[in-house]
Amino acid sequence: EPEVTQTPSHQVTQMGQEVILRCVPISNHLYFYWYRQILGQKVEFLVSFYNNEISEKSEIFDDQFSVERPDGSNFTLKIRSTKLEDSAMYFCASSGDRVNSPLHFGNGTRLTVT
Amino acid sequence: RKEVEQDPGPFNVPEGATVAFNCTYSNSASQSFFWYRQDCRKEPKLLMSVYSSGNEDGRFTAQLNRASQYISLLIRDSKLSDSATYLCVLGRRFGAGTRLTVKP
Repeated sequence: EPEVTQTPSHQVTQMGQEVILRCVPISNHLYFYWYRQILGQKVEFLVSFYNNEISEKSEIFDDQFSVERPDGSNFTLKIRSTKLEDSAMYFCASSGDRVNSPLHFGNGTRLTVT
Repeated sequence: RKEVEQDPGPFNVPEGATVAFNCTYSNSASQSFFWYRQDCRKEPKLLMSVYSSGNEDGRFTAQLNRASQYISLLIRDSKLSDSATYLCVLGRRFGAGTRLTVKP
């Protein structure tokens, strides 16, 4: 069964540094997402991406965040200047359509900001 | 009112028990509904989609009540392996999850 893959599985960075989290969505999916889950808290929507542009973003997704699909397979989340409170699990997901198909998640990247 | 609200839990039940979770939503235009399970420190995994007519998958039954704006998940004959957090999802928005622990 096709999978969403994420790298790295764990990223440790110092406050103020830039990080890029990488994802390879399922190949025939058209909609891509990033979610965040702070330890012990709920899964929070960050952003959705379709047709090479952001289709929706949450209030969490401020100017320090950006997403990109640099080639035909990768989907990246960049955090420009990390803060301690950015420490969380970041999940990438993809789906076949905008609303009705379920999300398929990658294994996540645990980001630790020190 | 929150967009998606779930039973706070936690639910602690013996093996073999039947347990039900509810999830209420505020956006009456919501069109797609799902139940996911999440094991500790793992990604959410799709358990089942929820259809208007209700649907069943083995020991799991999902129902949708549009008039009252809630969905439910029923687990029959609970197994130890059912212990997890159950997340209701409306469109692309997640509830906070309900923790289930099934004990021997």
